[in-house]
Amino acid sequence: ETGVTQTPRHLVMGMTNKKSLKCEQHLGHNAMYWYKQSAKKPLELMFVYNFKEQTENNSVPSRFSPECPNSSHLFLHLHTLQPEDSALYLCASSQVWDIDVELFFGSGTQLSVL
Amino acid sequence: SQQGEEDPQALSIQEGENATMNCSYKTSINNLQWYRQNSGRGLVHLILIRSNEREKHSGRLRVTLDTSKKSSSLLITASRAADTASYFCATGFQGAQKLVFGQGTRLTINP
Repeated sequence: ETGVTQTPRHLVMGMTNKKSLKCEQHLGHNAMYWYKQSAKKPLELMFVYNFKEQTENNSVPSRFSPECPNSSHLFLHLHTLQPEDSALYLCASSQVWDIDVELFFGSGTQLSVL
Repeated sequence: SQQGEEDPQALSIQEGENATMNCSYKTSINNLQWYRQNSGRGLVHLILIRSNEREKHSGRLRVTLDTSKKSSSLLITASRAADTASYFCATGFQGAQKLVFGQGTRLTINP
C-alpha cells in the first residue's frame, strides 16, 4: 500500500446531497492534493495544500470545498453536485510541494452523481 | 497545451514481449515522471527522470528522455500479465508548481 488511505471507495449521491470525501496519509508528508479523473480526460489538479495552507485552487467550482485540518488529513466536501462531476477523485501526498518529487496516491473514491 | 501526450493510446501485446510507450510535450521541463494505474485504483510512481538525464532504469523498466525532441519513452521488458494497466507521463514545467499529466496509454498483456 502507498500509505495514503481514501474513504469511501465508492459513493453515489443525488444532486441535492451533501457528502464528504476523506483522505489520510501516514507518510509524514507536508503537501496534499486533490485530483479529478474523468473518463477520457487527463488527470486534473483541483487543490493543493502545503503545510495545511491552500496554495492552489485550479478554478474549481464552489460546490467542491476542501479542508485540511492538519498535514495528515484532507477532506473534500461536496454539495449540490452535477452529473458531470461523476469521476474518480484521487488524493495524493508528497514530501514537499514541489514538482521534483514523486506523488503518492490513494486508491480514490469513485463518485457517481445521479 | 502543456500536457504530455502519450502514444499509443492503447497497446496490446503477448506476455514476454517488450512494450514501448512514448510521451511528447511542448515546453521546457524540469523533469518527467511515469506512473502506472491499475483499473479503478490510484496511480503508482515508477520513475522520475530529470531534464539533464538521458536514461534511467528500474528493474524491467527503462526510461529515456530526449529534450531536443521533447519526448520520452518507457520500455517494459519481458512483460507480464500483472503489467496490464494504464501508464501516464507527468511533466514538471519550469515556472509552474504542478505536474501536468497526459491521458495515458492503456497496456494489455495477453497470456
